[in-house]
Amino acid sequence: EVQLVESGGGLVQPGGSLRLSCAASGFTFNAYTMNWVRQAPGKGLEWISYISSSSGTIYYADSVKGRFTISRDNAKNSLYLQMNTLRAEDTAVYYCARGTYGFGYWGQGTLVTVSS
Amino acid sequence: QTVVTQEPSFSVSPGGTVTLTCGLSSGSVSTSYYPSWYQQTPGQPPRTLIHTTNTRSSGVPDRFSGSILGNKAALTITGAQADDESDYYCALFMGSGMVFGGGTKLTVL
Repeated sequence: EVQLVESGGGLVQPGGSLRLSCAASGFTFNAYTMNWVRQAPGKGLEWISYISSSSGTIYYADSVKGRFTISRDNAKNSLYLQMNTLRAEDTAVYYCARGTYGFGYWGQGTLVTVSS
Repeated sequence: QTVVTQEPSFSVSPGGTVTLTCGLSSGSVSTSYYPSWYQQTPGQPPRTLIHTTNTRSSGVPDRFSGSILGNKAALTITGAQADDESDYYCALFMGSGMVFGGGTKLTVL
């Protein structure tokens, strides 16, 4: 069974940093593209970053470019999102999701709250 | 910047058929955008219904189907049931990442 489990969310002050993790199991992690998608409270879904299976191709949404860094460790079956210079508008549930042209599997999400 | 458009809301009667659409503020949606569809109820992660235009994800009933209608991607729900009442999102692959539509709130009444 495919499982994606996010962790690392919490309360952080504006300007602060946070690192999210996504532990994958039930599939051959190093064969799949992975993504981060977020959802602000009461709002729609927003794709924010993509990383190919070998980390050779990485994309970011304009809203996070230069502040967030996606990475993966295929030996540990893990995906990461390093978030720096956080803003109030980054407050959201962050999901990791598997897929190249769409998202076949989703985690349960981890809540990030940016507030003083 | 191109925006992905969806109807903000839609209603359907139980047993009825509804078609939700996914368009572009500029241009037409084609299979080259690999349109996908997601269903979400409050407090839950999204559930993938359709990927690559018309392929149902595992476990999704065949009441849900995807297609291209005119210049938009479409999700058709036939025989609507009460538990189809959800938010529905489409997403398009734009070459350097994905873009979601704003979502459609579907009411079954």
